[in-house]
Amino acid sequence: RKEVEQDPGPFNVPEGATVAFNCTYSNSASQSFFWYRQDCRKEPKLLMSVYSSGNEDGRFTAQLNRASQYISLLIRDSKLSDSATYLCVVNLHITGGSYIPTFGRGTSLIVHP
Amino acid sequence: DAGVTQSPTHLIKTRGQQVTLRCSPKSGHDTVSWYQQALGQGPQFIFQYYEEEERQRGNFPDRFSGHQFPNYSSELNVNALLLGDSALYLCASSSSGLGEQYFGPGTRLTVT
Repeated sequence: RKEVEQDPGPFNVPEGATVAFNCTYSNSASQSFFWYRQDCRKEPKLLMSVYSSGNEDGRFTAQLNRASQYISLLIRDSKLSDSATYLCVVNLHITGGSYIPTFGRGTSLIVHP
Repeated sequence: DAGVTQSPTHLIKTRGQQVTLRCSPKSGHDTVSWYQQALGQGPQFIFQYYEEEERQRGNFPDRFSGHQFPNYSSELNVNALLLGDSALYLCASSSSGLGEQYFGPGTRLTVT
């Protein structure tokens, strides 16, 4: 099992749709979770941190489920400009008590007119 | 406020050569991490520098080494380049090891 897993997609949705992505992680002791957005051939850009209580930023909602070891990202009212790859990052707990920032491979979102 | 900068933008090297990539962190950040991103994959953590020392290291061979300077800028060195080292190399800075990271535009390395 991969340490941080994402469905690569692509998720193909019409404008205005609601779409959700999940990201599962292997170690329950992991902490500090984030969602990044990456456009083609560009660097990842921080979208939002993920807090235990869940958090919202405009059309974007992030949630953490520690019991089931996943984080989620919900995008409401999708825009054409939301088309990108969405990467989750988990600070994965490793042997020795350290944490390593570990990315998923990303989920591709295509929003069409 | 300058963000994270990296140089060079692109680089072409021959197998067996050595390469040095450079990164300047975002103002106010003291921690620099380096990542390798192959096409279609997420970034893979190489190592992280804080207070001029390597604090964490991912699963990369010793051919990959780095340095952090007193002004928090950093270098990534790769020796004995292999074809498989061709990738986008990303630098990210943060104000703490587990906090939000801000990425530079990356250096695209091609090994022929």
